[in-house]
Amino acid sequence: ETGVTQTPRHLVMGMTNKKSLKCEQHLGHNAMYWYKQSAKKPLELMFVYNFKEQTENNSVPSRFSPECPNSSHLFLHLHTLQPEDSALYLCASSQRTGVTQYFGPGTRLTVL
Amino acid sequence: QKEVEQNSGPLSVPEGAIASLNCTYSDRGSQSFFWYRQYSGKSPELIMSIYSNGDKEDGRFTAQLNKASQYVSLLIRDSQPSDSATYLCAVESGQGGSEKLVFGKGTKLTVNP
Repeated sequence: ETGVTQTPRHLVMGMTNKKSLKCEQHLGHNAMYWYKQSAKKPLELMFVYNFKEQTENNSVPSRFSPECPNSSHLFLHLHTLQPEDSALYLCASSQRTGVTQYFGPGTRLTVL
Repeated sequence: QKEVEQNSGPLSVPEGAIASLNCTYSDRGSQSFFWYRQYSGKSPELIMSIYSNGDKEDGRFTAQLNKASQYVSLLIRDSQPSDSATYLCAVESGQGGSEKLVFGKGTKLTVNP
Protein backbone atom coordinates (compact mmCIF):
# COMPACT_ATOMS: atom_id res chain seq x y z
CA GLU A 1 0.00 0.00 0.00
CA THR A 2 1.67 3.25 -1.10
CA GLY A 3 -1.31 5.57 -0.60
CA VAL A 4 0.07 6.88 2.70
CA THR A 5 3.81 6.93 3.26
CA GLN A 6 5.76 7.68 6.42
CA THR A 7 9.42 8.43 6.98
CA PRO A 8 11.50 7.38 8.70
CA ARG A 9 10.22 3.88 9.40
CA HIS A 10 12.45 3.55 12.45
CA LEU A 11 13.93 6.28 14.66
CA VAL A 12 16.09 6.12 17.75
CA MET A 13 16.66 9.40 19.53
CA GLY A 14 18.01 10.71 22.79
CA MET A 15 15.93 12.75 25.19
CA THR A 16 17.65 15.98 24.13
CA ASN A 17 17.36 15.46 20.38
CA LYS A 18 14.99 17.18 17.97
CA LYS A 19 13.59 15.14 15.14
CA SER A 20 10.61 15.19 12.79
CA LEU A 21 8.31 12.52 11.42
CA LYS A 22 6.92 12.97 7.94
CA CYS A 23 3.69 11.70 6.42
CA GLU A 24 2.57 12.06 2.82
CA GLN A 25 -0.69 10.90 1.28
CA HIS A 26 -1.24 10.37 -2.43
CA LEU A 27 -4.99 9.78 -2.22
CA GLY A 28 -6.31 13.31 -2.66
CA HIS A 29 -7.69 13.30 0.87
CA ASN A 30 -8.49 16.39 2.91
CA ALA A 31 -8.11 15.07 6.46
CA MET A 32 -4.96 13.75 8.10
CA TYR A 33 -4.31 12.28 11.52
CA TRP A 34 -1.53 11.37 13.94
CA TYR A 35 -2.01 8.39 16.25
CA LYS A 36 0.22 6.93 18.95
CA GLN A 37 0.21 3.22 19.73
CA SER A 38 2.29 2.03 22.66
CA ALA A 39 3.15 -1.63 23.11
CA LYS A 40 0.04 -3.74 23.67
CA LYS A 41 -2.10 -0.62 24.04
CA PRO A 42 -4.93 0.74 21.90
CA LEU A 43 -4.67 3.51 19.33
CA GLU A 44 -4.51 6.99 20.81
CA LEU A 45 -5.63 9.83 18.56
CA MET A 46 -3.22 12.75 18.89
CA PHE A 47 -4.06 15.36 16.25
CA VAL A 48 -6.56 15.86 13.44
CA TYR A 49 -6.15 18.21 10.51
CA ASN A 50 -9.02 18.96 8.14
CA PHE A 51 -8.24 21.09 5.07
CA LYS A 52 -4.89 22.02 6.71
CA GLU A 53 -6.57 23.33 9.85
CA GLN A 54 -6.05 21.58 13.17
CA THR A 55 -9.43 20.48 14.42
CA GLU A 56 -8.45 18.25 17.32
CA ASN A 57 -5.64 18.07 19.85
CA ASN A 58 -6.23 15.34 22.40
CA SER A 59 -4.31 16.91 25.29
CA VAL A 60 -0.99 16.03 23.70
CA PRO A 61 2.13 17.32 25.53
CA SER A 62 3.79 20.30 23.88
CA ARG A 63 6.94 18.29 23.18
CA PHE A 64 4.92 16.99 20.21
CA SER A 65 4.30 19.71 17.64
CA PRO A 66 2.32 18.98 14.47
CA GLU A 67 2.55 20.86 11.20
CA CYS A 68 0.34 20.56 8.13
CA PRO A 69 1.63 22.76 5.29
CA ASN A 70 -0.88 21.35 2.78
CA SER A 71 -3.50 18.60 2.53
CA SER A 72 -0.94 16.06 1.34
CA HIS A 73 1.74 16.48 3.97
CA LEU A 74 1.78 16.18 7.73
CA PHE A 75 4.71 16.46 10.09
CA LEU A 76 5.21 15.69 13.75
CA HIS A 77 8.08 17.60 15.30
CA LEU A 78 9.61 15.99 18.36
CA HIS A 79 11.77 17.60 21.04
CA THR A 80 12.89 16.68 24.56
CA LEU A 81 10.95 13.43 24.49
CA GLN A 82 10.74 10.99 27.35
CA PRO A 83 11.35 7.21 27.26
CA GLU A 84 7.61 6.64 27.72
CA ASP A 85 7.07 8.34 24.35
CA SER A 86 8.57 5.28 22.68
CA ALA A 87 5.80 3.87 20.50
CA LEU A 88 4.55 3.27 16.98
CA TYR A 89 3.41 6.57 15.48
CA LEU A 90 0.82 6.17 12.80
CA CYS A 91 -0.37 8.66 10.23
CA ALA A 92 -3.73 8.26 8.53
CA SER A 93 -5.77 10.13 5.96
CA SER A 94 -9.38 10.21 4.84
CA GLN A 95 -11.47 12.01 2.26
CA ARG A 96 -13.05 13.96 5.09
CA THR A 97 -13.39 13.43 8.81
CA GLY A 98 -15.65 10.60 9.92
CA VAL A 99 -15.14 8.31 6.94
CA THR A 100 -12.74 5.50 6.10
CA GLN A 101 -9.22 6.20 7.24
CA TYR A 102 -6.18 4.76 5.50
CA PHE A 103 -3.08 4.26 7.57
CA GLY A 104 0.57 4.60 6.72
CA PRO A 105 3.08 1.94 7.77
CA GLY A 106 4.07 3.85 10.89
CA THR A 107 7.30 5.08 12.45
CA ARG A 108 8.72 2.95 15.26
CA LEU A 109 10.20 5.49 17.69
CA THR A 110 12.57 4.59 20.50
CA VAL A 111 13.59 7.27 23.00
CA LEU A 112 16.71 6.47 24.98
CA GLN B 1 -17.12 11.13 25.00
CA LYS B 2 -18.60 8.59 22.60
CA GLU B 3 -17.39 5.08 23.26
CA VAL B 4 -16.73 1.91 21.31
CA GLU B 5 -16.41 -1.26 23.35
CA GLN B 6 -14.79 -4.51 22.32
CA ASN B 7 -13.86 -7.60 24.26
CA SER B 8 -10.06 -7.40 24.42
CA GLY B 9 -9.70 -11.18 24.28
CA PRO B 10 -7.61 -12.99 23.50
CA LEU B 11 -10.08 -14.99 21.46
CA SER B 12 -8.71 -18.37 20.48
CA VAL B 13 -10.33 -20.57 17.83
CA PRO B 14 -9.16 -23.70 15.99
CA GLU B 15 -8.33 -23.57 12.32
CA GLY B 16 -11.45 -23.93 10.19
CA ALA B 17 -13.81 -22.65 12.86
CA ILE B 18 -15.91 -19.48 12.80
CA ALA B 19 -14.48 -16.56 14.74
CA SER B 20 -17.01 -14.06 16.06
CA LEU B 21 -15.88 -10.57 17.05
CA ASN B 22 -18.25 -8.14 18.71
CA CYS B 23 -18.46 -4.40 19.18
CA THR B 24 -20.95 -2.07 20.86
CA TYR B 25 -21.10 1.69 20.54
CA SER B 26 -22.74 4.52 22.44
CA ASP B 27 -23.58 7.12 19.75
CA ARG B 28 -27.09 6.38 18.47
CA GLY B 29 -26.52 8.73 15.56
CA SER B 30 -23.62 6.76 14.10
CA GLN B 31 -24.09 5.79 10.47
CA SER B 32 -20.78 4.28 9.40
CA PHE B 33 -18.95 1.31 10.86
CA PHE B 34 -15.59 -0.21 10.04
CA TRP B 35 -13.48 -3.23 10.87
CA TYR B 36 -9.70 -2.98 10.68
CA ARG B 37 -7.17 -5.77 11.04
CA GLN B 38 -3.79 -5.09 12.63
CA TYR B 39 -0.97 -7.58 12.60
CA SER B 40 1.60 -7.27 15.36
CA GLY B 41 3.96 -4.38 14.68
CA LYS B 42 2.04 -3.30 11.58
CA SER B 43 -0.50 -0.60 10.85
CA PRO B 44 -4.27 -1.17 10.74
CA GLU B 45 -5.77 -2.10 7.39
CA LEU B 46 -9.42 -1.78 6.47
CA ILE B 47 -11.15 -5.09 5.85
CA MET B 48 -14.87 -4.24 5.98
CA SER B 49 -17.21 -1.27 6.13
CA ILE B 50 -20.95 -1.41 6.74
CA TYR B 51 -23.58 1.30 6.71
CA SER B 52 -26.99 -0.45 6.73
CA ASN B 53 -28.64 -2.85 9.13
CA GLY B 54 -28.14 -6.49 8.27
CA ASP B 55 -25.27 -8.53 6.91
CA LYS B 56 -22.54 -7.67 4.46
CA GLU B 57 -20.38 -10.45 3.11
CA ASP B 58 -16.94 -10.26 1.52
CA GLY B 59 -15.27 -13.60 1.00
CA ARG B 60 -14.80 -15.29 4.36
CA PHE B 61 -15.75 -12.13 6.22
CA THR B 62 -19.28 -11.08 7.20
CA ALA B 63 -20.06 -7.85 8.99
CA GLN B 64 -23.36 -7.61 10.84
CA LEU B 65 -24.98 -4.38 11.98
CA ASN B 66 -27.91 -3.80 14.31
CA LYS B 67 -28.39 -0.07 14.89
CA ALA B 68 -31.30 -0.56 17.28
CA SER B 69 -29.07 -2.60 19.58
CA GLN B 70 -26.01 -0.44 18.79
CA TYR B 71 -24.09 -3.56 17.93
CA VAL B 72 -21.76 -4.50 15.11
CA SER B 73 -19.97 -7.80 14.65
CA LEU B 74 -17.48 -9.48 12.36
CA LEU B 75 -17.62 -13.15 11.52
CA ILE B 76 -14.64 -14.90 9.99
CA ARG B 77 -15.53 -18.26 8.44
CA ASP B 78 -13.01 -21.06 7.91
CA SER B 79 -10.52 -19.24 10.13
CA GLN B 80 -6.87 -19.55 9.10
CA PRO B 81 -3.71 -19.05 11.15
CA SER B 82 -3.04 -16.01 8.94
CA ASP B 83 -6.17 -14.42 10.42
CA SER B 84 -4.39 -14.19 13.77
CA ALA B 85 -4.28 -10.45 14.47
CA THR B 86 -5.95 -7.72 16.48
CA TYR B 87 -9.28 -6.59 15.05
CA LEU B 88 -10.31 -2.99 15.59
CA CYS B 89 -13.89 -1.78 15.43
CA ALA B 90 -14.30 1.87 14.39
CA VAL B 91 -17.51 3.89 14.48
CA GLU B 92 -18.23 7.25 12.92
CA SER B 93 -19.42 9.69 15.55
CA GLY B 94 -20.38 13.35 15.62
CA GLN B 95 -22.11 15.61 13.11
CA GLY B 96 -22.04 19.00 11.49
CA GLY B 97 -18.45 18.88 10.32
CA SER B 98 -17.11 17.41 13.55
CA GLU B 99 -17.45 13.79 12.52
CA LYS B 100 -14.63 11.46 13.48
CA LEU B 101 -13.88 7.78 13.79
CA VAL B 102 -13.82 6.39 17.30
CA PHE B 103 -11.77 3.21 17.60
CA GLY B 104 -12.30 0.41 20.05
CA LYS B 105 -9.37 -1.09 21.93
CA GLY B 106 -9.35 -4.13 19.68
CA THR B 107 -9.85 -7.87 20.08
CA LYS B 108 -6.83 -10.11 19.71
CA LEU B 109 -7.65 -13.24 17.71
CA THR B 110 -5.48 -16.34 17.65
CA VAL B 111 -6.27 -19.13 15.19
CA ASN B 112 -4.62 -22.39 16.23
CA PRO B 113 -3.47 -24.83 13.52
